[in-house]
Amino acid sequence: DAGITQSPRYKITETGRQVTLMCHQTWSHSYMFWYRQDLGHGLRLIYYSAAADITDKGEVPDGYVVSRSKTENFPLTLESATRSQTSVYFCASKTGDGNGELFFGEGSRLTVL
Amino acid sequence: AQSVTQLGSHVSVSEGALVLLRCNYSSSVPPYLFWYVQYPNQGLQLLLKYTSAATLVKGINGFEAEFKKSETSFHLTKPSAHMSDAAEYFCAVRTGWKLSFGAGTTVTVRA
Repeated sequence: DAGITQSPRYKITETGRQVTLMCHQTWSHSYMFWYRQDLGHGLRLIYYSAAADITDKGEVPDGYVVSRSKTENFPLTLESATRSQTSVYFCASKTGDGNGELFFGEGSRLTVL
Repeated sequence: AQSVTQLGSHVSVSEGALVLLRCNYSSSVPPYLFWYVQYPNQGLQLLLKYTSAATLVKGINGFEAEFKKSETSFHLTKPSAHMSDAAEYFCAVRTGWKLSFGAGTTVTVRA
C-alpha cells in the first residue's frame, strides 16, 4: 500500500547507544520532515529535506543526524542517545506545492534508559 | 519567525455541545494556517487549511475554522461534539516549506 511508514514503532535503548529511526514514503514527495512530540511542546521540527541529498536543520537538531540518499527514504540517527531524547518521533512528507498537505507516519516511540 | 499559540491545553465538552478550540498566530504577512488532528497512537491528519481563498474554511468531520485578521485568530469549531472527536488538535502555520505547530489541545467528550 502507498503511504509513509516508520520503523521501528517502539524502541527501548540505553544512554550512549546509537539508534536509527527509519522513514519510507511511496509517493515520491519532494519534502520530508522529522518532528518530535513532547508533552507541552507540540511538535518540534528536528530536520527536513527538500530533495535527495538536500537536508537542513529545524528547531531542535542537536544530537541528531539525517541523510537522504534516495527520495523515498529519510532515516534519523541519534548518534549517542540521551534521556532527553525520549520522545515520540514523527516522519512526514509533502509535495513541492507550497500549501501541500503534510502526510504523517504513525510515529516511533523511543525510550532512552 | 511565524508562530501559533493555542489557548487551553485541555478542553472538555459534553456530547452534542459546541467544540471551540482557540488558535492565535503571529505573522507580519498573510499566513497559511492549518488544523491537524491526532487520534491516540496515530500520526497527525489534516482537518482543514486556510490559504486566503475564503475566511471561513470547512474541513472534514464537520469542523470549520474562521480566519480573522483583525484578531490574528484561526479558531476551530464544531457545532455538535461526537464521542469520536476525542483527540488532540494542533494548529500550525507555514513558514517556507515548513510547518510550525502549536502545543496542542486535548479534547475529551463526556457522554
